[in-house]
Amino acid sequence: DQQVKQNSPSLSVQEGRISILNCDYTNSMFDYFLWYKKYPAEGPTFLISISSIKDKNEDGRFTVFLNKSAKHLSLHIVPSQPGDSAVYFCAARGPISSGSARQLTFGSGTQLTVLP
Amino acid sequence: DGGITQSPKYLFRKEGQNVTLSCEQNLNHDAMYWYRQDPGQGLRLIYYSQIVNDFQKGDIAEGYSVSREKKESFPLTVTSAQKNPTAFYLCASSPQGFVNEQFFGPGTRLTVL
Repeated sequence: DQQVKQNSPSLSVQEGRISILNCDYTNSMFDYFLWYKKYPAEGPTFLISISSIKDKNEDGRFTVFLNKSAKHLSLHIVPSQPGDSAVYFCAARGPISSGSARQLTFGSGTQLTVLP
Repeated sequence: DGGITQSPKYLFRKEGQNVTLSCEQNLNHDAMYWYRQDPGQGLRLIYYSQIVNDFQKGDIAEGYSVSREKKESFPLTVTSAQKNPTAFYLCASSPQGFVNEQFFGPGTRLTVL
C-alpha cells in the first residue's frame, strides 16, 4: 500500500509559467515532508522541505504548500525554466519520537518538462 | 569535497552471480541507506544502517545483503536469490538517526544478463 502518492506521472509547462506538482499521503503520522529533484542517471538532490507545523515554505522560485486536513502537499515552481526539467519526488517522514523517523517514504515521482 | 561515491556507474553481471555495489561517504554521517529505483516507481528502501555493525531491513530486502563494518562504507550485495536484480541502485546518507534530509550518491545501474 503506497503511503505517498504522486498521481501525475508527467507534467509539461511552458517556460516562464508556473509548475504545480502534487503529492498525497495516507499516513497521518507523517510530520515532515521533502521534495527531491532527479536528473536521469544521477542521484536525487534535496530541493525543499516543510514541517507539519507550517503550511507554507518558500525558497526562491520554489514554494511548498501543506494541507494537513487533506493530507496533500504541492510544490510550486515560478517561473519555470528549462533546467527545471527533471523527475520530482516527494517524500515523508514520521515523528522523531517514533522509529519511522529513521527513514523516508517516497512517492513514485512526476516527470516535469519545461518547454522553451 | 564531501560527498557520497558509488562505484561503478554501470555494472553488468550474468544471471546467477552475486554482485557487490560499493558506497562510500566522507560526510561523517551516522546513517546510510540503500534504495532501488525501477522505471515509473519511486525509491524503494532495501536496507538502512543507523550505526556501525547494525542494519535494518527495508521494504524490499529479500535477495539482498549488507554490511556496515566502517562508518564511511555500506556495501550492498545483490545475491542470485534476487528475482529481478536489474535496476538503478542509489545509496544515501544522513547525519543522524532521524532524517531531516538524505544525501544521495550518483547511483549504479546494474544490468543482469
